[in-house]
Amino acid sequence: QVQLQESGPGLVKPSETLSLTCAVSGGSISSYYWSWIRQSPGKGLEWIGYMHYPGTTGNYNYNPSLKSRVTLSLDTSMNQFSLELSSVTAADTAVYYCATIKTGGGAFDYWGQGTLVTVSS
Amino acid sequence: QSALTQPASVSGSPGQSITISCTGTSSDVGTYNLVSWYQHHPGKAPKLMIYEVTERPSGVSNRFSGSKSGNTASLTISGLQAEDEADYYCCSYAGSITYVVFGGGTKLTVL
Repeated sequence: QVQLQESGPGLVKPSETLSLTCAVSGGSISSYYWSWIRQSPGKGLEWIGYMHYPGTTGNYNYNPSLKSRVTLSLDTSMNQFSLELSSVTAADTAVYYCATIKTGGGAFDYWGQGTLVTVSS
Repeated sequence: QSALTQPASVSGSPGQSITISCTGTSSDVGTYNLVSWYQHHPGKAPKLMIYEVTERPSGVSNRFSGSKSGNTASLTISGLQAEDEADYYCCSYAGSITYVVFGGGTKLTVL
């Protein structure tokens, strides 16, 4: 069974870039579709984007509302999936989850426990 | 404001059944049979309970069932148990650009 673990700085300053990594065990990074999802305090879930191997054009999709600031990447040597979100503001404070997309699409079958990122000076 | 509308809270006694609704539009729930439901205990990883409107992943109790009518999907939990107390989120595919939209979540309290 695939297990996911998010990691990264818990505090990021406004206007800087948020960088998170999702370590994958129990499965190959090249075998799944990978996604990032976040939950702001007191709010619902928001899909950020997805990517699948090899991560080139046509193999990823970003939430239109975040597209200009999001970059996803895959590292097959480390078996990990990464998120970069640039020019962050307080509105980007959230728990960030990585997840796999179930075959057939539209659902997320394996999730990490999430990591809280606070944007504050 | 979330794209899909769920009640903020529902409650029921052990053994009873409850239903959580999830209302979208003709651009998501009403068009695609790709509605999923997630159980989330705070501090833990969300868990997929229902996908493709009615399908249960292996290992999920058959006390959980899903349905859809028009622009509204529903999750029914029968034979409520204390361990079912959690937050529940619905999600729907919404096309190749938006991809998916989520509901705001429903807090289930088992009395």
